[in-house]
Amino acid sequence: DADVTQTPRNRITKTGKRIMLECSQTKGHDRMYWYRQDPGLGLRLIYYSFDVKDINKGEISDGYSVSRQAQAKFSLSLESAIPNQTALYFCATSGPGTVTDTQYFGPGTRLTVL
Amino acid sequence: GENVEQHPSTLSVQEGDSAVIKCTYSDSASNYFPWYKQELGKRPQLIIDIRSNVGEKKDQRIAVTLNKTAKHFSLHITETQPEDSAVYFCAASSGSARQLTFGSGTQLTVLP
Repeated sequence: DADVTQTPRNRITKTGKRIMLECSQTKGHDRMYWYRQDPGLGLRLIYYSFDVKDINKGEISDGYSVSRQAQAKFSLSLESAIPNQTALYFCATSGPGTVTDTQYFGPGTRLTVL
Repeated sequence: GENVEQHPSTLSVQEGDSAVIKCTYSDSASNYFPWYKQELGKRPQLIIDIRSNVGEKKDQRIAVTLNKTAKHFSLHITETQPEDSAVYFCAASSGSARQLTFGSGTQLTVLP
């Protein structure tokens, strides 16, 4: 089945380290998103991309960067991790085209910054 | 930008009873309203959605209603079952970028 996958699923790192979270999809979607989930705060948008040449900041982009290596791959980087970036991170996809709004989520990456 | 408020944050019901979760949104341009269910340790999964040209949509035990004038929409679950226990998120989509803004979630517990 077409799916959205994320690696790693769990990661523990130390303050100041650079870390990359990866997302891949086989759904053939053109739009990809990175969200952060914290207890009681729902899902907040970090970055989104509508194609390889299109990158947009979301609500909480500070401290994060992204790379859209191909239509099927979208990576999230924390250049210098800090403890308040400890959270559950989800990648999502939607598309194709400009009509479909439904977003499909990956399994999530649980990140702990010590 | 869009702001979505969701209530209640926690909801407990007896098995077989109905559950209602309500959301309000701020951007009158929003025109797509999905509901996601997230079980413990799992990814959010779409359970139902509604577009602004429709007032109500039903799928078996689940229904969503939309009041565009009041800018609120609600999820209704009838004949609740223990497997309905999960966190439910509402969201609203607006703007040329079609971004989703999520509510803060409702923890639904169905008591046997």
